[in-house]
Amino acid sequence: DIQMTQSPASLSASLGETVTIECRASEDIYNGLAWYQQKPGKSPQLLIYNANSLHTGVPSRFSGSGSGTQYSLKINSLQSEDVASYFCQQYYDYLWTFGGGTKLELK
Amino acid sequence: QVRLKESGPRLVQPSQTLSVTCTVSGFSVTSYHVSWVRQPPGKGLEWVGAIWKGGSTDYNSALKSRLSISRDTSKNQVFLKMNSLQTDDTGTYYCAKHQLGAGVMDAWGQGASVTVSS
Repeated sequence: DIQMTQSPASLSASLGETVTIECRASEDIYNGLAWYQQKPGKSPQLLIYNANSLHTGVPSRFSGSGSGTQYSLKINSLQSEDVASYFCQQYYDYLWTFGGGTKLELK
Repeated sequence: QVRLKESGPRLVQPSQTLSVTCTVSGFSVTSYHVSWVRQPPGKGLEWVGAIWKGGSTDYNSALKSRLSISRDTSKNQVFLKMNSLQTDDTGTYYCAKHQLGAGVMDAWGQGASVTVSS
């Protein structure tokens, strides 16, 4: 199984700040990576797929990048509605696996 | 509009069987794959298994011996059954629709919260 390691586990940032969350795969996943946002008490929502493609309706302040085993999610100009947990998921190889999550809070 | 909604019992006794139904609208389960994903309280996400648009299934190898996923195409419903439940099976069970031909899940249900306890 491909292991996904996310960092940091938690993050505190100010409104307007730029935030970066990292995800590392235990082997090359060839851009088969998605990012999800999960607000408190809600279900996960797709943000990014294929490592850097923005899902329909997702604000452009979210962006994804990376290749090989290293990927990142960047949030520009942090808004209050971005307070959530973020999960990466690899879908290059069975079984599909998720990172442990990053909890983003406002400072 | 794509919608998925899970329904099932909130409380299941240890060693019993969990049955959760995912009722979808806005798309056909014969056109898109549907997965089940679970989340223990306060923890991360775990892919449980999937039923492909053609009707075949795949399961998380760690759970495979206890799992069954099926569907009723006439009602556009997908079913999850998991037997021999233990307390660490407690959590929220989500069904999710896949993007065409990919492992990406682009629409999720609200989740069914299940507690395994006597």
